[in-house]
Amino acid sequence: EAGVAQSPRYKIIEKRQSVAFWCNPISGHATLYWYQQILGQGPKLLIQFQNNGVVDDSQLPKDRFSAERLKGVDSTLKIQPAKLEDSAVYLCASSLEVGTGEQFFGPGTRLTVL
Amino acid sequence: DAKTTQPNSMESNEEEPVHLPCNHSTISGTDYIHWYRQLPSQGPEYVIHGLTSNVNNRMASLAIAEDRKSSTLILHRATLRDAAVYYCILRSTGNQFYFGTGTSLTVIP
Repeated sequence: EAGVAQSPRYKIIEKRQSVAFWCNPISGHATLYWYQQILGQGPKLLIQFQNNGVVDDSQLPKDRFSAERLKGVDSTLKIQPAKLEDSAVYLCASSLEVGTGEQFFGPGTRLTVL
Repeated sequence: DAKTTQPNSMESNEEEPVHLPCNHSTISGTDYIHWYRQLPSQGPEYVIHGLTSNVNNRMASLAIAEDRKSSTLILHRATLRDAAVYYCILRSTGNQFYFGTGTSLTVIP
C-alpha cells in the first residue's frame, strides 16, 4: 500500500515570497491533516479536512496560510507571504475517517525562509 | 496546548526493556491515549493506542493507570532502530492530535 506522498521535500525561499506544498493521501482515506513542526517541537495541527470540507482550522494563521482539498483527495497548503518564523517541516497525514484513530504521516516538506 | 507531559530524554541499553512515562492529568473520559514515534527526517509513525485497558501489539505494550491520568509505553527489548522521539498524545472525539515535545530515546549499544 502506497503511503502519504508529499512534494517538494525541500524548499528554500526568501521572506515575503509565496510557496505551496502538495499532499496525496493514502487511497480511500477521507480525512487529511496538515501539521507544522518547528525544530525541537512536536507537530502542531494547522487544518483538518473531512473529504473536501474543513473540520478544524482553528490554528491556521489565515492571514497568510490557506489550504484546499477540492476533490476530496489531494490537498495543497499555501503560504503567502512567507515570514522567517514559517521555517519548519510541514507534515501531511491522512486517516480513514474521523474517529478511527491511526493517522498515517508523509515524510514532510522542509521549508527554509531566508 | 499540549495536554501531556513527558521527560525530555531517556537512555536505554540495547536489548533491555524501556519504560517511557506520560502524564495526562486533564484527560477526559472520551480521550484515547496514542503513542507515536518519529525517527530523524521522517514523519511520525503509529506505535500503539488505548482507552482504558492495557494494550499489546508487535511493537510495544501500553500500560494505562486505573485513573487514566498517566500511562507508560513499554518497549520490551530496545534495539538501535528504536532510537527516536516518542510522543504521547491525547486524541479527542474529532480525531485532533495535540503533540507535546516528546521524549527523545537514546539506545546505547
